[in-house]
Amino acid sequence: GNSVTQMEGPVTLSEEAFLTINCTYTATGYPSLFWYVQYPGEGLQLLLKATKADDKGSNKGFEATYRKETTSFHLEKGSVQVSDSAVYFCAFPSGNTPLVFGKGTRLSVIA
Amino acid sequence: GAVVSQHPSWVICKSGTSVKIECRSLDFQATTMFWYRQFPKQSLMLMATSNEGSKATYEQGVEKDKFLINHASLTLSTLTVTSAHPEDSSFYICSARDYRLAEINEQFFGPGTRLTVL
Repeated sequence: GNSVTQMEGPVTLSEEAFLTINCTYTATGYPSLFWYVQYPGEGLQLLLKATKADDKGSNKGFEATYRKETTSFHLEKGSVQVSDSAVYFCAFPSGNTPLVFGKGTRLSVIA
Repeated sequence: GAVVSQHPSWVICKSGTSVKIECRSLDFQATTMFWYRQFPKQSLMLMATSNEGSKATYEQGVEKDKFLINHASLTLSTLTVTSAHPEDSSFYICSARDYRLAEINEQFFGPGTRLTVL
């Protein structure tokens, strides 16, 4: 069935470190792919998206490239900040149904 | 654009009372809205899918008589937790889908409502 696998957290990094959060998916066809971010006590916000293979989504210094051959959509940022501390969810739509979410990866950035 | 609001943002109620949570799409028409529940440090659990003008579709294990969902217009869906108990305490999040973006199925999320039942 359709599923998303994310690297397990929590991930703790020092400020200005490089971030990678792995995400792989199992789906029928080639769905759009999303990364959502949830800051403490808040709902989810769309961070970035890619709608087809080889597309690169980017926002706020974060990037993710839609890799069809490896069914992956890894999230990266070259230099994290304390304000990036949040939970990150990889997700994709499955037909006319709600998003399929990964379990989320908690990121803590320390100064 | 594509803003979803929830009201209230937090609520505390006594056991046995009912609580209504509203989810509104402010600048787009949402043919479909989704209700999620999130426990601390966990992912979102889909509770139900709400289509405008029709009955909600509940996920397995979610009591439809306890969690009443109404989607009377293209911009408003409500979740009513009836006869709330402490175990219903949670963070409830709604999301809405804009029919104009149906081809990529993007959903927009509300800020969430924290319910505490005493």
